[in-house]
Amino acid sequence: NAGVTQTPKFRVLKTGQSMTLLCAQDMNHEYMYWYRQDPGMGLRLIHYSVGEGTTAKGEVPDGYNVSRLKKQNFLLGLESAAPSQTSVYFCASELAGAYEQYFGPGTRLTVT
Amino acid sequence: EDQVTQSPEALRLQEGESSSLNCSYTVSGLRGLFWYRQDPGKGPEFLFTLYSAGEEKEKERLKATLTKKESFLHITAPKPEDSATYLCAVLLRSRVDQAGTALIFGKGTTLSVSS
Repeated sequence: NAGVTQTPKFRVLKTGQSMTLLCAQDMNHEYMYWYRQDPGMGLRLIHYSVGEGTTAKGEVPDGYNVSRLKKQNFLLGLESAAPSQTSVYFCASELAGAYEQYFGPGTRLTVT
Repeated sequence: EDQVTQSPEALRLQEGESSSLNCSYTVSGLRGLFWYRQDPGKGPEFLFTLYSAGEEKEKERLKATLTKKESFLHITAPKPEDSATYLCAVLLRSRVDQAGTALIFGKGTTLSVSS
């Protein structure tokens, strides 16, 4: 039981490049979340999904897109990376309505 | 504006020296308050959920309490392995009506325990 996994662990992008972060969970959880964590800012919700094929915006959605084509996977896309998107990105999953969120190990992204 | 404030930002303790971390919140309608532990380079790990004032939860050397305005995470006789950043998060009643658990996180308290 791997829990929540994230790919890749580290990535360096140049301004304007695009990339996709992959989150996978093997706990059959309905809800999945993408957060970013910046020094002095705490965790902030980017987008979330309450089921396959559904997504919703969180606090800081601009510059990101997401997709949930399969229940176990949640993808976060950056179409045109900006230095302001340098951050650590965490994915989390939750059994619907249980409130307890399980986090992945994070992806450290640097945009130069 | 809904806010979650944690204090202190950093706390250094000697092994065995008990203390408390604070999480104060100014929100419109609290549905639940959560404590997470985060080790360097890792994702947050769930510790506790508190739902109503007066509620307490315990786990090993940690005890979380909740009042109408704040929550405390009490650490009794800490050990070096308790060193981590402790995050507090709240779930608002308004957000419960929407599907999904949209939490508001505080910035965390970084605890260092030396032997």
